[in-house]
Amino acid sequence: GAGVSQSPSNKVTEKGKDVELRCDPISGHTALYWYRQSLGQGLEFLIYFQGNSAPDKSGLPSDRFSAERTGGSVSTLTIQRTQQEDSAVYLCASSPGQTDEKLFFGSGTQLSVL
Amino acid sequence: KQEVTQIPAALSVPEGENLVLNCSFTDSAIYNLQWFRQDPGKGLTSLLLIQSSQREQTSGRLNASLDKSSGRSTLYIAASQPGDSATYLCAGPYSSASKIIFGSGTRLSIRP
Repeated sequence: GAGVSQSPSNKVTEKGKDVELRCDPISGHTALYWYRQSLGQGLEFLIYFQGNSAPDKSGLPSDRFSAERTGGSVSTLTIQRTQQEDSAVYLCASSPGQTDEKLFFGSGTQLSVL
Repeated sequence: KQEVTQIPAALSVPEGENLVLNCSFTDSAIYNLQWFRQDPGKGLTSLLLIQSSQREQTSGRLNASLDKSSGRSTLYIAASQPGDSATYLCAGPYSSASKIIFGSGTRLSIRP
């Protein structure tokens, strides 16, 4: 695609429900990153993928958070039993790989947990 | 553990001034460093990427430099305009085999 696509753009859910956030990276990009940005805060690293593998999951806040990537393309971030403190903008970025490290971001998913 | 620090946290200057934003990092294994801007309620837009073999990059009124020995990068904005008002973030240094850490950003306001 022309850019990194994230869906949904907005998600409102009730506390305790599970949510899935989707990221479609730019075609051919091997690296994919997930970040979280709370209101007025900086970007908090969650996880990154190289191909379908996740070498570093150290940023996932708890075991309620998980992510996967299939076919070296689409990635899904799942939050189980959502809590109000999970409310934030979830941003995805992709990068071509070793020869060109430029990061391209999607517009994000605004998650609101009521 | 990589830490990225940006100073100042906020900056307000009159239109037309030249200004410098600072980014410092702790990891001596320096690879690439990238500067972004973020407008309120929007995603991040890439401004400049300095690759490991480079010392600076220029795009229009923007110039970014990377000093590996001191662990610092600067973003220079010439002849600032109100449209430059945004939050500026630096990320890195990083390679494709590592997570990318962002600074907390500098919120820039250009007064007409």
